[in-house]
Amino acid sequence: DAKTTQPPSMDCAEGRAANLPCNHSTISGNEYVYWYRQIHSQGPQYIIHGLKNNETNEMASLIITEDRKSSTLILPHATLRDTAVYYCIVRVVDYKLSFGAGTTVTVRA
Amino acid sequence: GAVVSQHPSRVICKSGTSVKIECRSLDFQATTMFWYRQFPKQSLMLMATSNEGSKATYEQGVEKDKFLINHASLTLSTLTVTSAHPEDSSFYICSATDRGGNSPLHFGNGTRLTVT
Repeated sequence: DAKTTQPPSMDCAEGRAANLPCNHSTISGNEYVYWYRQIHSQGPQYIIHGLKNNETNEMASLIITEDRKSSTLILPHATLRDTAVYYCIVRVVDYKLSFGAGTTVTVRA
Repeated sequence: GAVVSQHPSRVICKSGTSVKIECRSLDFQATTMFWYRQFPKQSLMLMATSNEGSKATYEQGVEKDKFLINHASLTLSTLTVTSAHPEDSSFYICSATDRGGNSPLHFGNGTRLTVT
């Protein structure tokens, strides 16, 4: 699996958009970008994933650069309940999911 | 949909005893399930991949005789920590996918194991 690089932590204000960057410069053509988050003492929660097109669902948007070497997860209106560790992972189809250190996001009132 | 349930959520056991953790896919069939371990303030580390009807594949450094995995049906995988020691105290999490391919893995809520 390609390695990803994420900032260790970031703060954002409640009600504002949170933009979480991820670098995956060695990503292969058959690797998808997945985002998960883990709230303290719970199992990871799936957020979104994509291959090369931008994706949006009820939780977030995923913007993947044209060269696929980086991506941004956007939480449109952050709430206090979005405080969590966010993991950006690249994964080959049907292969295991390997977690890095992630970004600790703290949403402040 | 795609709910993964783990039981128990917390367990405390004495050193030297064995503990079994169950992972169930409630509304889908899971050919493959994954077991992770997470120590405090660390990320999730994959322990093993469990395939229904066959032997599990363990990651390097994970003792297969200590962490017994059984995936007897398409909805149930179990992890047994044998002869538990305090250093086995950790957060154990399972995951599964309902469709394979690029479908996301769904995770259980984890089991907090404390060995005294």
